[in-house]
Amino acid sequence: SQTIHQWPATLVQPVGSPLSLECTVEGTSNPNLYWYRQAAGRGLQLLFYSVGIGQISSEVPQNLSASRPQDRQFILSSKKLLLSDSGFYLCAWSLGLAVDTQYFGPGTRLTVL
Amino acid sequence: GQQVMQIPQYQHVQEGEDFTTYCNSSTTLSNIQWYKQRPGGHPVFLIQLVKSGEVKKQKRLTFQFGEAKKNSSLHITATQTTDVGTYFCANAAGNKLTFGGGTRVLVKP
Repeated sequence: SQTIHQWPATLVQPVGSPLSLECTVEGTSNPNLYWYRQAAGRGLQLLFYSVGIGQISSEVPQNLSASRPQDRQFILSSKKLLLSDSGFYLCAWSLGLAVDTQYFGPGTRLTVL
Repeated sequence: GQQVMQIPQYQHVQEGEDFTTYCNSSTTLSNIQWYKQRPGGHPVFLIQLVKSGEVKKQKRLTFQFGEAKKNSSLHITATQTTDVGTYFCANAAGNKLTFGGGTRVLVKP
């Protein structure tokens, strides 16, 4: 069966510090991968998605970037965090079908102080 | 995916009562998916609807896709405290899901 991991679970970072969040998927090959951000009590904002290694599509211009160095690894990064980067970051995967279901990881709760 | 709007944004329900949350689009949708996110948790897939007028049931949850495929509803009967959470509808298209803003459900015991 497929599983998706995210770490860390929680993170507190100062403004201006770098960020690296990691997501890995097990039990499937060539998944589509997604990064979402959710502000407290709000909806899901798609940040990046990837249909293959090295292929990244950005949905919202910001100071975040994403990379997919391996088939089942998706990394979200920032060189300098802003206060507005605080939120709940969710990674998800799907099979890449025409009508696709997404499966979410447990999330990383980021607080920027 | 097509933009989808959800109403209401918040739903306070007395335990044991029924309620319905709605998902609407100005354009025809090829599909609708519903997800549930428990407080502090991550979204979990519930159901997918693709046919006009389709109705699917999961225990006390009834999902419906409108005849014109422009709206969908989730009806919960005899609400329980385990129903607490945020329910999202979403439309899948072009490798992406476009989520509605969600209906946050609070249950009063």
